[in-house]
Amino acid sequence: ETGVTQTPRHLVMGMTNKKSLKCEQHLGHNAMYWYKQSAKKPLELMFVYSLEERVENNSVPSRFSPECPNSSHLFLHLHTLQPEDSALYLCASSQDGGTGVQDGYTFGSGTRLTVV
Amino acid sequence: AQSVTQLDSQVPVFEEAPVELRCNYSSSVSVYLFWYVQYPNQGLQLLLKYLSGSTLVKGINGFEAEFNKSQTSFHLRKPSVHISDTAEYFCAVRRGSTLGRLYFGRGTQLTVWP
Repeated sequence: ETGVTQTPRHLVMGMTNKKSLKCEQHLGHNAMYWYKQSAKKPLELMFVYSLEERVENNSVPSRFSPECPNSSHLFLHLHTLQPEDSALYLCASSQDGGTGVQDGYTFGSGTRLTVV
Repeated sequence: AQSVTQLDSQVPVFEEAPVELRCNYSSSVSVYLFWYVQYPNQGLQLLLKYLSGSTLVKGINGFEAEFNKSQTSFHLRKPSVHISDTAEYFCAVRRGSTLGRLYFGRGTQLTVWP
């Protein structure tokens, strides 16, 4: 596989459920990101991992818990979500440092999450 | 931090007409500039980027963009659009240095009518 792969593509969960979103990149990048995209709203950067360390956490509620076990994998653990958390969750990766900054981010296809 | 302004949230246009999607940015340092396209329920796909050199850059699907340093703009153009170009378009800037983050505009929804 190439690029950035996100699973599942669609997820419906109740407010009391626990689920996880998975992201895997096959590009050898050293930084990974979670974005939230809600209808009629701009892209919201949630978390940034660089060299497997979380370097940004943009005031995201604790019901979202990221995990980056290695440079190729990124998870977003979800628990006790609210209906307003329904959105498209996008994962991206990039190469930080050197000529990598001349590239943009590579995005996955996203997970469409619906909280009922 | 950089900021990116996409002046139009929605641009409706008829098929085969030309289109321009506007983008302005603010930065006191050199930046790299990008345009992304997002089709419904998909991730963002790189259309084109400006790094240096010629101010007119060509991308995929017949799109091109012109970098104007004095006006801090990077407008996206296509001389003749197709219905399949209907999508959301995002302008983004990245500081030309190590660990520069990518900053996105709010997006422009391009709708092409038959």
